[in-house]
Amino acid sequence: EVQLVESGGGLVQPGGSLRLSCAATGFSFDDYAMHWVRQTPGKGLEYVAGINRNSGSTGYADSVKGRFTISTDNAKNSLYLQMNNLRAEDTALYYCAKDLVPRGLLWDAFHVWGRGTMVTVSS
Amino acid sequence: DVVMTQSPLSLPVTPGEPASISCRSGQSLLNRNGHNYLAWYLQKPGQSPQLLISFASNRASGVPDRFSGSGSGTDFTLRIRRVEAEDIGVYYCMQALHTPVTFGPGTTVHIK
Repeated sequence: EVQLVESGGGLVQPGGSLRLSCAATGFSFDDYAMHWVRQTPGKGLEYVAGINRNSGSTGYADSVKGRFTISTDNAKNSLYLQMNNLRAEDTALYYCAKDLVPRGLLWDAFHVWGRGTMVTVSS
Repeated sequence: DVVMTQSPLSLPVTPGEPASISCRSGQSLLNRNGHNYLAWYLQKPGQSPQLLISFASNRASGVPDRFSGSGSGTDFTLRIRRVEAEDIGVYYCMQALHTPVTFGPGTTVHIK
C-alpha cells in the first residue's frame, strides 16, 4: 500500500526553524516527483514546494522562496522541508504528496497525500 | 503565478441530480505534448484531498464513473452525473504546467 506519513510539526516562535519529514512506503520513491502543500485551518490549499529527481528541478511558492528548502534522502525514502525564518502566516497543516506519473519531467497530479503535520508559529 | 478561478464557490446540490464546477486558468495549461496539466481534487470533511481527475479528463483509479472532467487550454469543467451524499466536500482544481503549481480557491458542495 502506498503511504506517506508526515512528522516534525509543532509550535515554534517567529523567526525560528523547523524541519518536516515525510516517510514514503509502498512505491519506488526515486521515480516520483514529491511535493509539500499546506492548508490553514478552514482555508484552501496552498502549494509550498516540489522536487523532481528526474529533471533535477525544484519549485517554490513565492511566499516561501529563500526561507524553505525541499530535499530528499533516497536511501531513507524520505522527503524533507527545512523551514527557516518562520512567520505567523506559515501556520498551517503541511501535507506531503506524490506525483501520479513515474519518471516524468514535469509535475502532473498529486496522486497520494499524507494526513499532514501541523505547524504553529506563535510567540 | 498562474491564477486559478473556480465557479461557483458554493454549490448546493440535490442527491440524484447532476452538478458541475467550472475552473479557469490565467494561462493555457495545454503542453506541447498534447496534455492539459489540470487536476481536480475532492477534500471531504476532516480528510486529506483525494485525486479525482488528472490531465483534465483522466479519472483516477477507484474514482466512480459519475465523475468526469473536460476542457482544454484555459477552461475546464468537472461534472458529477448524479450527486450522491458522499460527494459533499470542497473541490479544488490545480494547474501543474507552470511553476509554481497553483490551486483554485475551492468550491464547497453541500446538500441543498
